[in-house]
Amino acid sequence: QQQVKQSPQSLIVQKGGISIINCAYENTAFDYFPWYQQFPGKGPALLIAIRPDVSEKKEGRFTISFNKSAKQFSLHIMDSQPGDSATYFCAAAGGTSYGKLTFGQGTILTVHP
Amino acid sequence: DGGITQSPKYLFRKEGQNVTLSCEQNLNHDAMYWYRQDPGQGLRLIYYSQIVNDFQKGDIAEGYSVSREKKESFPLTVTSAQKNPTAFYLCASSWGRGPTNEKLFFGSGTQLSVL
Repeated sequence: QQQVKQSPQSLIVQKGGISIINCAYENTAFDYFPWYQQFPGKGPALLIAIRPDVSEKKEGRFTISFNKSAKQFSLHIMDSQPGDSATYFCAAAGGTSYGKLTFGQGTILTVHP
Repeated sequence: DGGITQSPKYLFRKEGQNVTLSCEQNLNHDAMYWYRQDPGQGLRLIYYSQIVNDFQKGDIAEGYSVSREKKESFPLTVTSAQKNPTAFYLCASSWGRGPTNEKLFFGSGTQLSVL
């Protein structure tokens, strides 16, 4: 059962452009929504995370937008750079173990110079 | 350096063979996790442990086994019962002490392939 759906599967953006990745969840018990960034051959690393008590969180060029009523959240990467080329995973968790994440399918982002 | 060490980086399994993937952490984290990564499917939770000598099944535990005899170590055995073991296996850890300590730290993974 896929509880977090992520789109698009792949994304190509020009340097300086905006990258947008979307996720939708089903389980209303989820109350923690992180994004992880993964480079080839490496493990994912936490990029940014949000809780449903806020609608937006910004850290540098990365912003999460959260819509609780629609059960959707998205990652915006402003001024995208070639070094941002990686696979991005959204995830969700809730309950007693916040490391027990349910991940989306991943988005392969390519930023052309 | 503090972190999570997974070994080996590449592993090959023969038909009917059990193989064990190693995961060691020196972050003093209570909780440890094993995830399986397949192309286009994201990461799926195999097993997790929130404390020494205790572990719980994740979403895809069939064909796998784990142990947690030490805080620092959480080895994963892929048994012969796992019919499709080819995947990238990721070990992770976290403080596991509540929602304010939920950040997962991942190792660099082990790529398991079937001969």
